[in-house]
Amino acid sequence: DVKVTQSSRYLVKRTGEKVFLECVQDMDHENMFWYRQDPGLGLRLIYFSYDVKMKEKGDIPEGYSVSREKKERFSLILESASTNQTSMYLCASSREGQGYSAYSNQPQHFGDGTRLSIL
Amino acid sequence: EDQVTQSPEALRLQEGESSSLNCSYTVSGLRGLFWYRQDPGKGPEFLFTLYSAGEEKEKERLKATLTKKESFLHITAPKPEDSATYLCAVTSNQFYFGTGTSLTVIP
Repeated sequence: DVKVTQSSRYLVKRTGEKVFLECVQDMDHENMFWYRQDPGLGLRLIYFSYDVKMKEKGDIPEGYSVSREKKERFSLILESASTNQTSMYLCASSREGQGYSAYSNQPQHFGDGTRLSIL
Repeated sequence: EDQVTQSPEALRLQEGESSSLNCSYTVSGLRGLFWYRQDPGKGPEFLFTLYSAGEEKEKERLKATLTKKESFLHITAPKPEDSATYLCAVTSNQFYFGTGTSLTVIP
């Protein structure tokens, strides 16, 4: 079974802090993703990576950055946390799929999320 | 505008009462349509992938179907443990997620 592990289930930080969320997958997947999930808004893509050191902006990248130094690990960084970044953050991974495309036709497998509160 | 829309937003069923959840999409160049189940406080769990119109996939009480404009998740004789939020996602030249259908199955 695919396992995607997020470093923290719950995290409380203060406004202005630099926050690191870590994600590790054990299935040698090429693609990794960071989403946030808010009631009524569904899942929104922040960033994704289709290879080591490669990244693409998603729908809501402002205020976030990412790092992928190793294939199995994808980090989300909140440069200066703000209260509107309080949310559930979900990491996912997927195989590359048929025909090279950053937008894989393979299913994404998710971790259990980090519930982040910014005070 | 490309989008994925799920209906209904919420559904309450009696145990054993079969029904269907809908996912309609208006994206072009479909690369895959995915169904997920999400329990409270957990990440989405992958259920099915569908790639082309006419395709069907089954798993226990669940059956997913796909046309050129929509997908259905049919739930046959549901049990209380099927209660969850069901999410639909589409990949084309972007990733799109629906906002989900919250299913409650009453014993």
